[in-house]
Amino acid sequence: QKEVEQNSGPLSVPEGAIASLNCTYSDRVSQSFFWYRQYSGKSPELIMSIYSNGDKEDGRFTAQLNKASQYVSLLIRDSQPSDSATYLCAVNFGNEKLTFGTGTRLTIIP
Amino acid sequence: DAGVTQSPTHLIKTRGQQVTLRCSPISGHKSVSWYQQVLGQGPQFIFQYYEKEERGRGNFPDRFSARQFPNYSSELNVNALLLGDSALYLCASSLTGASYEQYFGPGTRLTVT
Repeated sequence: QKEVEQNSGPLSVPEGAIASLNCTYSDRVSQSFFWYRQYSGKSPELIMSIYSNGDKEDGRFTAQLNKASQYVSLLIRDSQPSDSATYLCAVNFGNEKLTFGTGTRLTIIP
Repeated sequence: DAGVTQSPTHLIKTRGQQVTLRCSPISGHKSVSWYQQVLGQGPQFIFQYYEKEERGRGNFPDRFSARQFPNYSSELNVNALLLGDSALYLCASSLTGASYEQYFGPGTRLTVT
């Protein structure tokens, strides 16, 4: 059973600080990794994709992938109240689908 | 460019009825996937279609079926609705398949009473 695990939170971070979200997955044969942001009552929005070991930066977001340790993380710098949402980690295990974690609820405290 | 579109936005059905949900992918995208999301959970994979062929099916009963049309739009059908089918149904569009970026539509909120 290929699984993706996330801490459900809630994770509370002061405005302006760095929010760190973590995700582990069960299978070493994993090809691609994604972070989605989901506001309450809305659909998931793709914010980062990462395919190889290391860091990938896009604006205030940095995705970090470590395939040997089977984890992927998302850092949000200079956190804003608008970053308050549920963050979903998704993994493609080389098959026809994305497998999602249950999501981490992030709250940015003004 | 228009994103993924889904219709209807909301739907209320009675147990035992049938429902059809529709999805139009991003222009140029040939793959459509369907997911079900219940409150507090991540999306669960139902189907993937690529070039009008079913490429994958999740752990859902045969009451769930789907198809993709020549213009790459897709329909998800659910027969004999159960209360447990109440969920947000999400359509995701990608260029080729699940190993690449998937972009979600706004979803259809289905309530079964």
